[in-house]
Order: sequence, then C-alpha cells, then structure tokens
Amino acid sequence: GNSVTQMEGPVTLSEEAFLTINCTYTATGYPSLFWYVQYPGEGLQLLLKATKADDKGSNKGFEATYRKETTSFHLEKGSVQVSDSAVYFCALYTQGGSEKLVFGKGTKLTVNP
Amino acid sequence: DGGITQSPKYLFRKEGQNVTLSCEQNLNHDAMYWYRQDPGQGLRLIYYSQIVNDFQKGDIAEGYSVSREKKESFPLTVTSAQKNPTAFYLCASSIWSGFYEQYFGPGTRLTVT
Repeated sequence: GNSVTQMEGPVTLSEEAFLTINCTYTATGYPSLFWYVQYPGEGLQLLLKATKADDKGSNKGFEATYRKETTSFHLEKGSVQVSDSAVYFCALYTQGGSEKLVFGKGTKLTVNP
Repeated sequence: DGGITQSPKYLFRKEGQNVTLSCEQNLNHDAMYWYRQDPGQGLRLIYYSQIVNDFQKGDIAEGYSVSREKKESFPLTVTSAQKNPTAFYLCASSIWSGFYEQYFGPGTRLTVT
C-alpha cells in the first residue's frame, strides 16, 4: 500500500537557519505529493504541491522537489522565522486507488529567536 | 469568506455518552472528510462522503457514524463504542472526491473522561 515516511522530530532551529525536513514515499502508480502545515491549535493548510516527477513546489519561501528516482519530496527553506514554528505533514495522493490522501506522522518545528 | 467551520473548538464528555461534532462548509465542495489526529500518529481517515446521502468508511470507522443530508454539512457522531475517543478531530472538503487538494477546518478537540 501507499505510505509516507517523514523524519522524526522535533526539530529545533535558530532564526535564519536552514531547514530540511525529509520525506520519502512508497506508492503504486504516479502519486501527487504535498506538504501541509499545521500551526498550533489550528487545522492543516496546504503549503505546496507537486504533481509529477521533477516538479518543484514552492510557497512562502519553502520548496520541495519531486524526485522519482529517490522517491523523495524533502521540504527546504533557506532562512526560517519564528512564525514558521508549526507541524509539517508530507502527504501523497494516487488516483484510481483508494483516492485518499495518505499522511506522514508529521514533524514539529520550533524556531527560536 | 468561504471556508470550513467546526464547532465547538473544545468539547468535554463523560464516558458512555454519544457526542456529535459539527462541520459546515460554504465552499460548494462535493466531497467532505473526517480525520482523527493523535500525537505522533499523523492523520487517519474516519469517514468520507463524495455526494449528498452517500458516505464511505475510512481506515478507522469503528465507533463513529456520519450523515450527509446536505451538501454543506457532514456531522460526525462519536459513539460510546469508540474505545479511545479523546483526540483532535479535523474536517476537510474538496471540490470533488478525485480532487486531491483538501481544505481543512480548525478542528475540534474532544476530551472524554
């Protein structure tokens, strides 16, 4: 079945540090890949997406590239801010199967001033 | 403003009582979903509905029930048969069931003692 594996947190960084959160996946077919963000006490928001190999999703300074050869979709940001503190979820979707989003377990990021 | 509302934000119940969580959307989306979130577990799908008067079980439907009498509304009942009901519950919607981009509500935190 389809699955997503994220690096375990929590991750603690200082402001302006470089961020990488690893995400790898297992899927049949050709999945679409997503990063969602959950700020404290809130629901999830779509941060970025990529729907085919070599696509790069980007938003709010975050980027992730769909790497089919390594089945990965790592999230990166060059300079994090305190306001980026949140839980980040990697997810995948494949059409024609169960047609549902499959989420990783989430990685909690804390950015200190 | 279009969006998804969930109420209440916090809910407390005694063990053995059924409780209904509200989810309303004004996005004119056909599909709606309920997820459960536990610490370190990511999101797990409880039920989803593709059209009015139709719904399907997700991965962890036991102890839960839903209805979809209106397009805008998808309430979730947590029954006394649910062994571990204390969790954070998230409702989501998408334009149609095969459309992967889901929009999430702010969530309801249910505590059963």
